[in-house]
Amino acid sequence: GAVVSQHPSWVICKSGTSVKIECRSLDFQATTMFWYRQFPKQSLMLMATSNEGSKATYEQGVEKDKFLINHASLTLSTLTVTSAHPEDSSFYICSAREGVAGGLTSYNEQFFGPGTRLTVL
Amino acid sequence: SQQGEEDPQALSIQEGENATMNCSYKTSINNLQWYRQNSGRGLVHLILIRSNEREKHSGRLRVTLDTSKKSSSLLITASRAADTASYFCATDLSTGRRALTFGSGTRLQVQP
Repeated sequence: GAVVSQHPSWVICKSGTSVKIECRSLDFQATTMFWYRQFPKQSLMLMATSNEGSKATYEQGVEKDKFLINHASLTLSTLTVTSAHPEDSSFYICSAREGVAGGLTSYNEQFFGPGTRLTVL
Repeated sequence: SQQGEEDPQALSIQEGENATMNCSYKTSINNLQWYRQNSGRGLVHLILIRSNEREKHSGRLRVTLDTSKKSSSLLITASRAADTASYFCATDLSTGRRALTFGSGTRLQVQP
């Protein structure tokens, strides 16, 4: 089946540093990847939509200069939290969608990574 | 923004009992999906029901969808302690927005 991985699975960093999180589709090409954030005991909130080869689309209230998204290839998207602060501590989850007919997956189906827990001290 | 609400927010039952969770949404959908999330872990996809379907079964899970009321329910029969988790509904909207929109979730506690 379709697998999406994230790296790292957890990270602890000091306030003011930048952290990069990778999201990879392992056995299919993802035309679109999504980044979600989940605070403790809350639901997942979409941060941005990342299309391969183009700029990401950010949801209202999400700072694009703080959360840099790069989708340079069909199997990799990265989220960089720049100048992280304690309030950025959260669980970040990516998902990937193949988005083309005749591929490995039912093209509209979305597959989630296992998440990355970020703790900013 | 979230598509809708789930109720109850929290549910505590005894092992062997059935658990029912409800999800309401606001706009037209292509499909609705249910996910489980154990504390601090990733999402596990449980079941997908399309907008033209009314009921779907998978093992001990039964999902219903009422598009006229914009609501769905997830029934877990003969619950087990291992079913303890948070459950989220997520909608795939008809508007062309390609991301899933998640409900607020139900925290289920199954007492052994």
